[in-house]
Amino acid sequence: AQSVSQHNHHVILSEAASLELGCNYSYGGTVNLFWYVQYPGQHLQLLLKYFSGDPLVKGIKGFEAEFIKSKFSFNLRKPSVQWSDTAEYFCAVNRGGNKLVFGAGTILRVKS
Amino acid sequence: DGGITQSPKYLFRKEGQNVTLSCEQNLNHDAMYWYRQDPGQGLRLIYYSQIVNDFQKGDIAEGYSVSREKKESFPLTVTSAQKNPTAFYLCASSITSGSGEQYFGPGTRLTVT
Repeated sequence: AQSVSQHNHHVILSEAASLELGCNYSYGGTVNLFWYVQYPGQHLQLLLKYFSGDPLVKGIKGFEAEFIKSKFSFNLRKPSVQWSDTAEYFCAVNRGGNKLVFGAGTILRVKS
Repeated sequence: DGGITQSPKYLFRKEGQNVTLSCEQNLNHDAMYWYRQDPGQGLRLIYYSQIVNDFQKGDIAEGYSVSREKKESFPLTVTSAQKNPTAFYLCASSITSGSGEQYFGPGTRLTVT
């Protein structure tokens, strides 16, 4: 079945640690890829997106993601996390017709 | 400010009752979506609409119904046929010709007892 997999459901890091959240998808062909973030009590908002071109995309708040087509992956990274990065992170794939498929989410807790 | 509003933020109902969740957008988007968010399951698509007076079932449409009589509004009814209605419901919108980027409302947390 077509799906989006996020490898870790819960991640706990100390401030200043580096972050990498994994995302793999199973769709063939051209895809548009997204990372969304849901801070506690706030709307789901877009962190970054990949449509085409440079596979390394930069988003808000120092986040970046790398699209590796051969691995069907779109991992999210941040070199040094802050307490304010505590949130739930969702990877999503546009499967056509503007319909997004979301991964199960990764809850990140950053300890100050 | 442009955006998506959902009301109410919290909703409580007794089992067996239908309940309607409101979603309004002033982004002038043609497409609107309803998702259900459960812990550990991400967001799952319930219904979507690409244009007024038209909508399609998503992955988990059973027990839900929608209408799209106005571009700005896409209400979701959770019927008594929905076996497990307690969840967090998110509404989203997008343009139809874009890459799929969606804008989300604040959500409604429905509790059915």
